[in-house]
Amino acid sequence: DAKTTQPNSMESNEEEPVHLPCNHSTISGTDYIHWYRQLPSQGPEYVIHGLTSNVNNRMASLAIAEDRKSSTLILHRATLRDAAVYYCILRGTASKLTFGTGTRLQVTL
Amino acid sequence: DAGVIQSPRHEVTEMGQEVTLRCKPISGHNSLFWYRQTMMRGLELLIYFNNNVPIDDSGMPEDRFSAKMPNASFSTLKIQPSEPRDSAVYFCASSVGRVNYEQYFGPGTRLTVT
Repeated sequence: DAKTTQPNSMESNEEEPVHLPCNHSTISGTDYIHWYRQLPSQGPEYVIHGLTSNVNNRMASLAIAEDRKSSTLILHRATLRDAAVYYCILRGTASKLTFGTGTRLQVTL
Repeated sequence: DAGVIQSPRHEVTEMGQEVTLRCKPISGHNSLFWYRQTMMRGLELLIYFNNNVPIDDSGMPEDRFSAKMPNASFSTLKIQPSEPRDSAVYFCASSVGRVNYEQYFGPGTRLTVT
């Protein structure tokens, strides 16, 4: 699986938007971009995924660069409950998810 | 929906003992995954099943680890004999399809081997 690069940590104030970047310069044409998050002491949780077009769901938005070499997960209004480690994962034709180190998001009042 | 169920939630055992972790996937899901998480190595996929058949066990660390899925609603991960370096949180996840469907993770089993 192609590799992703994320910042180790980010901070945000509550009620403000958060943009979590992910670089994946070696992405192949069949790779989907998946985002999961892991809250403290819990298992990972699916957030969103996309291929080429931007995607929105109730949790977040995913903005994918035109060349697909980078993407951004957008939390529109961060809350304290969004404090977690966010993983950006490329998923090809295989079923498995390969987790990197992710970005630890801290949300403060 | 009860979600993915794992048992036990915590397990403390002595080195050399056999450990069995259990997982009940979400009803209707046909893919099941076992992961291990440690501080040093992060989240690693150990093995996954599709329609009860093991598809990829390349992540299983060594012969001391084995996994079975006798039916669509139950899977086990067994470690025999256990060693202190097996201490980790073990997660089970299931999904409705093989590839681009979200995986639903259980709460994990925290294993401590002394």
